[in-house]
Amino acid sequence: QVQLVQSGGEMKKAGASVKVSCKASGYTFTSYGISWVRLAPRQGLEWMGWISTYDGTTRYAQNFRDRVTMTTDTSTNIAYMELRSLTSDDTAVYYCAREIVSTTYFDYWGPGTLVTVSS
Amino acid sequence: QSALTQPPSVSGSPGQSVTISCTGTSSDVGVYNRVSWYQQPPGTAPKLMIFEVNNRPSGVPDRFSGSKSGNTASLTISGLQAEDEADYYCSSYTSRSTYVFGTGTKVTVL
Repeated sequence: QVQLVQSGGEMKKAGASVKVSCKASGYTFTSYGISWVRLAPRQGLEWMGWISTYDGTTRYAQNFRDRVTMTTDTSTNIAYMELRSLTSDDTAVYYCAREIVSTTYFDYWGPGTLVTVSS
Repeated sequence: QSALTQPPSVSGSPGQSVTISCTGTSSDVGVYNRVSWYQQPPGTAPKLMIFEVNNRPSGVPDRFSGSKSGNTASLTISGLQAEDEADYYCSSYTSRSTYVFGTGTKVTVL
């Protein structure tokens, strides 16, 4: 069965970076893209960006373009999202989500990784 | 890219129908039939309920239906059940090849 398993929660200081992982299983990794979405306290879902697991092409939301990097390791079926220059506003649950190639919706989601940023 | 606009909350009694609107622009909801809806109970990951405006994934009850007119998409839950209580988000692909989510709607079953 399809599973997206994310890394554990992180506590960071303002100004630091965080790298969250998302390990996929139960399907052909390179046939689906991965998007990253976050849910901050008292906020709604926010799309951060997408990566093609096939060739590494990325698209980032304008709000994150300058400080996010998304990568994949096709040898281990893991996608990564690194966010730099953290502030307290980045405290949120970060989700990875699978996207079928040539579609525009997310059919499976990881359980989420809580990132807490303190000043 | 501004978030799509949803009502903060809707409520209904068991068995009733509720409709959640999702208003965007001619650069997102209005330009493509690429609107999806997600259900998120507290403390859990989002779950796909509707894709491409009005399609249900396998396993989603037919009580859930979607539609779109112009720049506004809608999700209707017919025959409301207690288990439907959750936050609901719409999402649209955009003309910039990005995604935008809605502001979210809390559905309460009275």
